[in-house]
Amino acid sequence: DVKVTQSSRYLVKRTGEKVFLECVQDMDHENMFWYRQDPGLGLRLIYFSYDVKMKEKGDIPEGYSVSREKKERFSLILESASTNQTSMYLCASRSPQVTYEQYFGPGTRLTVT
Amino acid sequence: AQKVTQAQTEISVVEKEDVTLDCVYETRDTTYYLFWYKQPPSGELVFLIRRNSFDEQNEISGRYSWNFQKSTSSFNFTITASQVVDSAVYFCALSEVNTGGFKTIFGAGTRLFVKA
Repeated sequence: DVKVTQSSRYLVKRTGEKVFLECVQDMDHENMFWYRQDPGLGLRLIYFSYDVKMKEKGDIPEGYSVSREKKERFSLILESASTNQTSMYLCASRSPQVTYEQYFGPGTRLTVT
Repeated sequence: AQKVTQAQTEISVVEKEDVTLDCVYETRDTTYYLFWYKQPPSGELVFLIRRNSFDEQNEISGRYSWNFQKSTSSFNFTITASQVVDSAVYFCALSEVNTGGFKTIFGAGTRLFVKA
């Protein structure tokens, strides 16, 4: 089974702090994704990475950056957290040579106060 | 532009009732994939089914069935004899092949409550 893990289930940070969200997958998947989930809006793509050191902006990249130094790890960085970044953050991975569906981690619920 | 609409925000049923979750999509691509995911209270999205645009066959898996109709751009999901464990948020999603499937568009989700 594919396993995607995220470093924290719940996180509380203060406005202006730098925040790191970590995601690790154990299935050697090439592609990894970061989404945020907000009520009534579904999942929105922040950034994705199609391979190590490769990254592309998604639909809502403002205020975020990412890092992928190793194939299994994809980090989301909030450079200066703001209250409107309070949300559920979901990481996902997939292997496009096999299939298009994505496998998700359990999510990190981030609150910025 | 691609778009996925799940018009039902919340549905509440009593156990053993059948329930259908609607999904309507928009795309200009001729080759695409449609998905359903389940998000239980634990938070992790679980993949349920994938359908490609060339395969309009309906699919049944246990109490779950899916009806894909290109003519109406719909990909509806039916749970037969619902159970309390079916309570979750369900997402319909679309990936266009010409974008490499990187930009999957998700609907807003339908929250299903199944009461005992």
